[in-house]
Amino acid sequence: QVQLQESGPGLVKPSQTLSLTCTVSGGSISSGDYYWSWIRQSPGKGLEWIAYIYNSESTDYNPSLKSRVFISIDKSKNQFSLKLTSVTAADTAVYYCVRGRGWLQPFDPWGQGALVTVSS
Amino acid sequence: EIVMTQSPATLSVSPGERATLSCRASQSITSDLAWYQQKPGQAPRLLIYGASTRAAGFPARFSGSGSGTDFTLTIRSLQSEDFAVYFCQQYNAWPRTFGQGTKVESK
Repeated sequence: QVQLQESGPGLVKPSQTLSLTCTVSGGSISSGDYYWSWIRQSPGKGLEWIAYIYNSESTDYNPSLKSRVFISIDKSKNQFSLKLTSVTAADTAVYYCVRGRGWLQPFDPWGQGALVTVSS
Repeated sequence: EIVMTQSPATLSVSPGERATLSCRASQSITSDLAWYQQKPGQAPRLLIYGASTRAAGFPARFSGSGSGTDFTLTIRSLQSEDFAVYFCQQYNAWPRTFGQGTKVESK
């Protein structure tokens, strides 16, 4: 079955850019009607959907983060990535990559999560 | 955005008893509701979708109901492995939004 795995730095300095990559295994990132997404979880904000990329080119972002977020896909590596600019301590969270099963479908499966701490 | 509100925040239940968790949406989401189970140190795992369809791997003691704005997750005869945090999530509109979670703990 499809599995997702996040990777990237666990510590980012304030005002810098957070970069994470999700590697998809057990299936092609190019196949199916999937919305490859990023979700984060923090004690203060709970679970927050960040962005999706669909069909390798269509994207959407949470309005609360839209000015700072960019999502991209690398089909050759079966990966998709997240960049979040100008981070502050409020961006400290566990970041999950997930697969949205379709337009009106839940998220399944989830990666194991990557803790990113914003601190100098 | 659609606001999801869960209650209670914490539910203390004895093993073998029933747990009833509630989730309310700020506007109608028809049946586009999912429940997730999260155990410490793990990612959330899809439990229920379509408000009432159980995901693979979960036993029949888990059931979901509701439509529109009010939803319920019921766990019959709680087992030790069911103590966890449960989140509801709407997928009727973007941005997708989650409830704050209900922690089911052992009484």
